[in-house]
Amino acid sequence: DVKVTQSSRYLVKRTGEKVFLECVQDMDHENMFWYRQDPGLGLRLIYFSYDVKMKEKGDIPEGYSVSREKKERFSLILESASTNQTSMYLCASSSGTGVGNQPQHFGDGTRLSIL
Amino acid sequence: EDQVTQSPEALRLQEGESSSLNCSYTVSGLRGLFWYRQDPGKGPEFLFTLYSAGEEKEKERLKATLTKKESFLHITAPKPEDSATYLCAVQAGNTGKLIFGQGTTLQVKP
Repeated sequence: DVKVTQSSRYLVKRTGEKVFLECVQDMDHENMFWYRQDPGLGLRLIYFSYDVKMKEKGDIPEGYSVSREKKERFSLILESASTNQTSMYLCASSSGTGVGNQPQHFGDGTRLSIL
Repeated sequence: EDQVTQSPEALRLQEGESSSLNCSYTVSGLRGLFWYRQDPGKGPEFLFTLYSAGEEKEKERLKATLTKKESFLHITAPKPEDSATYLCAVQAGNTGKLIFGQGTTLQVKP
């Protein structure tokens, strides 16, 4: 079974802090994704990556950056956390090169609160 | 604009009462339609992929079908443990990105 592990289930940070969310997958998947999920807005794509050291902006990249130094690890960075970034953050991975059409498999999420 | 709409938003069933959830989509160049189940406080769990109109997939009490404009998730004789939010997502074009619907929250009462 695919396992996507997010480093923290719950995280509380202060406004202005730099925040790192970590995600690791154990299935040698090429593609990795970061979403946020908010009530009434559903899942929205922040950034994704098709390969090591490669990244693409999703629909809401403002205020975020990502890093993929190793194939299995994809990090989401909040450069200067703000209260409107309080949300559930979900990481996902999928197999296939290029654009592929394989399902994405999700971690259990990090519930991030910015005070 | 690519769009995915799920209905109803919420559904309450008695145990054993079969029903269907709907996912309507407007996308150019559908590459796949995906159904997920999400329990409170957890990430979405993959259920099915459908690639072309007429395709059907089954798993226990769930059956997913696909037409050119919509997909249905049929739940036969549901049990309380089927209670969850069911998400539909489509992959279109050449980006590999998924477009998610808002989900249907299903509650099955014993």
